[in-house]
Amino acid sequence: QVQLVESGGGVVQPGRSLRLSCAVSGFTFNSYGMHWVRQAPGKGLEWVAVIWYDGSSKYYADSVKGRFTISRDNSKNTLFLQMNSLRAEDTAVYYCARVPCSGGFCYFDYWGQGTLVTVSS
Amino acid sequence: DIQMTQSPSTLSASVGDRVTITCRASQSISSWLAWYQQKPGKAPKLLIYKASSLESGVPARFSGSGSGTEFTLTITSLQPDDFATYYCQQYNSYSFTFGPGTKVDIK
Repeated sequence: QVQLVESGGGVVQPGRSLRLSCAVSGFTFNSYGMHWVRQAPGKGLEWVAVIWYDGSSKYYADSVKGRFTISRDNSKNTLFLQMNSLRAEDTAVYYCARVPCSGGFCYFDYWGQGTLVTVSS
Repeated sequence: DIQMTQSPSTLSASVGDRVTITCRASQSISSWLAWYQQKPGKAPKLLIYKASSLESGVPARFSGSGSGTEFTLTITSLQPDDFATYYCQQYNSYSFTFGPGTKVDIK
């Protein structure tokens, strides 16, 4: 079955870096665009970034542009999120998600369990 | 950027009730809308995509409708497992936006 497992979260000081990973199984990883979505404690969902199935295109939310980098290793079925210059407002549970696109519409059909990132001094 | 709103923000209901949640977009998004259910401490779960298509395995008491700027999620007979927070999501030109959520709790 489809599985997405995030790792790499933890407590980090403001201004420091952290790298999240998402290991996937149960589907052909290199056929899907992959995304990161985050959720601050007690808040709603915020889309963070997307990477095309082949890594050829990447897009970011304005709130993380220039600080976060999404990447993937299709040989290892793994998605990454490099987070630099972290701020307190980046504190959230980070989910990786698979996104199929059908007839011009894209949506999140499988999600990982999430990994908590806490930015605090 | 397209903004999404949801109403109500909180809904108190009883088992067996018919429940309707509304999602509005700041501009027309055709039928490019999805609905998700999230329970505390869990990842969101896809319920509906393309405004009205039921995801495989989702009970038929869930349905979606609408197009353009106004959409609804209906639960025809609320079950104990349905108490959760519901989010809508739009997609437009590599931009994804979620609504703020509607919490359905027990009356």
